[in-house]
Amino acid sequence: GNSVTQMEGPVTLSEEAFLTINCTYTATGYPSLFWYVQYPGEGLQLLLKATKADDKGSNKGFEATYRKETTSFHLEKGSVQVSDSAVYFCALSSGSARQLTFGSGTQLTVLP
Amino acid sequence: GAVVSQHPSRVICKSGTSVKIECRSLDFQATTMFWYRQFPKQSLMLMATSNEGSKATYEQGVEKDKFLINHASLTLSTLTVTSAHPEDSSFYICSARRSSGGETQYFGPGTRLLVL
Repeated sequence: GNSVTQMEGPVTLSEEAFLTINCTYTATGYPSLFWYVQYPGEGLQLLLKATKADDKGSNKGFEATYRKETTSFHLEKGSVQVSDSAVYFCALSSGSARQLTFGSGTQLTVLP
Repeated sequence: GAVVSQHPSRVICKSGTSVKIECRSLDFQATTMFWYRQFPKQSLMLMATSNEGSKATYEQGVEKDKFLINHASLTLSTLTVTSAHPEDSSFYICSARRSSGGETQYFGPGTRLLVL
């Protein structure tokens, strides 16, 4: 079956630090890969996505590249802000219904 | 944008009662909606896939008679937790996918259910 493995948190960084959150996956077929973000008290929001190998998704300074050879989709940001504090979920979709399979989530706290 | 709402945002009920949660796509039509459950500090677990005008498809281990799903229109799906018990207390989240195409799911803000 499909699965997504994320680095465990929580992750605490100082403002302007470099962020990496690792994500690897196992899937049949050709999955699409996503990063969702959940801010405190809110629902999940799509942060970025990539639909095929070597695609790079980017949004709000965050980037992730679909690496088929390493089955990875690591999230990076060069300089985090306090407002980036949230829970980040890696996910994949596959199959005819394109259902999402989520990783366990990584809590990020950015300190001023 | 693509906005999905849920109602209520929080509900407290007594054990044995039923609770209905609504999920609405406000500015788009959604043939397919999804219901998830999220335990504290854990990931989202897919409960069922709801298709407009047809029966929902439940994930393994999810009791369809306990978690009734109705998707009667292209903008509304409901989840009814029947005969709720304390172990049903959780955060329930819905998502919707545009009928016009694309695989992106748009998520509602979630409903916090507490069964006493």
